[in-house]
Amino acid sequence: AQKVTQAQTEISVVEKEDVTLDCVYETRDTTYYLFWYKQPPSGELVFLIRRNSFDEQNEISGRYSWNFQKSTSSFNFTITASQVVDSAVYFCALTNQAGTALIFGKGTTLSVSS
Amino acid sequence: GAVVSQHPSRVICKSGTSVKIECRSLDFQATTMFWYRQFPKQSLMLMATSNEGSKATYEQGVEKDKFLINHASLTLSTLTVTSAHPEDSSFYICSARGQGGRYNEQFFGPGTRLTVL
Repeated sequence: AQKVTQAQTEISVVEKEDVTLDCVYETRDTTYYLFWYKQPPSGELVFLIRRNSFDEQNEISGRYSWNFQKSTSSFNFTITASQVVDSAVYFCALTNQAGTALIFGKGTTLSVSS
Repeated sequence: GAVVSQHPSRVICKSGTSVKIECRSLDFQATTMFWYRQFPKQSLMLMATSNEGSKATYEQGVEKDKFLINHASLTLSTLTVTSAHPEDSSFYICSARGQGGRYNEQFFGPGTRLTVL
């Protein structure tokens, strides 16, 4: 069975701090896709990144970076120099190659104060 | 491209009434649509999967007679909550998946917040 674990329920930081959101996944599939979504108070999911299981390269997009490690089944997300606008719930999700429904983690609520 | 809309964005209804939520893919044909439910401060949980022209497949614990899903065209799926009760109050999000290329992944709608009084 597939499972996504986000052990951090809530994180509070002060602006300009770096913060890492953890994601650990379980799957028996050799091909799978991992995602991160941001959900601001409005509720709409904002897509951040998709990574397939064969691409372990870390990715950086502006202040965002992702560290994918198959050896530890982790796909962690780091925000550098956090800003108040980063305050939201962040979800890590998993699906297999067939593009079935996403399995979401429980989410991490990030609060950035000024 | 790859825009999914939901209507209404917010609905308040009385207990016992039925509510219909629409999910549309605006610029691609959605062969599959997924319906998720999110209770306050919880994660998204899949309710059902629907393929165009077929009956929806419901997840365990989701009452198919209460949550009617219709996917009659490649751009529209509807979720009807029949005889809604306060415990059905939730955020309902659909996603749509096309076929081929960049559309062979899920695109999420903005969600519908249902409040049952």
